[in-house]
Amino acid sequence: EDQVTQSPEALRLQEGESSSLNCSYTVSGLRGLFWYRQDPGKGPEFLFTLYSAGEEKEKERLKATLTKKESFLHITAPKPEDSATYLCAVQARAGGTSYGKLTFGQGTILTVHP
Amino acid sequence: AAGVIQSPRHLIKEKRETATLKCYPIPRHDTVYWYQQGPGQDPQFLISFYEKMQSDKGSIPDRFSAQQFSDYHSELNMSSLELGDSALYFCASSLSRSEAFFGQGTRLTVV
Repeated sequence: EDQVTQSPEALRLQEGESSSLNCSYTVSGLRGLFWYRQDPGKGPEFLFTLYSAGEEKEKERLKATLTKKESFLHITAPKPEDSATYLCAVQARAGGTSYGKLTFGQGTILTVHP
Repeated sequence: AAGVIQSPRHLIKEKRETATLKCYPIPRHDTVYWYQQGPGQDPQFLISFYEKMQSDKGSIPDRFSAQQFSDYHSELNMSSLELGDSALYFCASSLSRSEAFFGQGTRLTVV
């Protein structure tokens, strides 16, 4: 059974205060790890896909990294508009019973105060 | 760019009624996923289709069924609705099971 655990559950930052969100996972052969941003009452918005350990992706103030057991989402100098729930999800490789579907973590609720 | 379109956006049904949710994937995407998200919960996988064939099944109640049509749109049919079915229902689509793009969801309220 694929499992994803995100920490912390909630994170409050001051504007400009950099930090990191963690996503630990167990999966029967990782095909991809995905980061999404979700605003209240809206659908998850795709941010990044990471496929192999050591891979990094960047977008504006966000940077995602991947190891064999976990992924980090680094937020540099956040702004209030970065406030949202950040979801991590894993997808298993073909041949497993869960090929294709995304298994999500519980998310980290990020609040950035001005 | 075209996104995933879901309809209706909001739906209110009474217990034991039936609901049908529709999803129009991004053009040329070959995979459709359905997820259910309760308040404060992460999205829970229900079912997926690859090239109009069911490819994976998650924690979908027997009261629910889904299909994908020849034009690639998908419908989630929910019968004998219960109060606990109240949630946000998301459809997502992807190309060859790569990153999935989500629609804005249908908020179902069962009263």
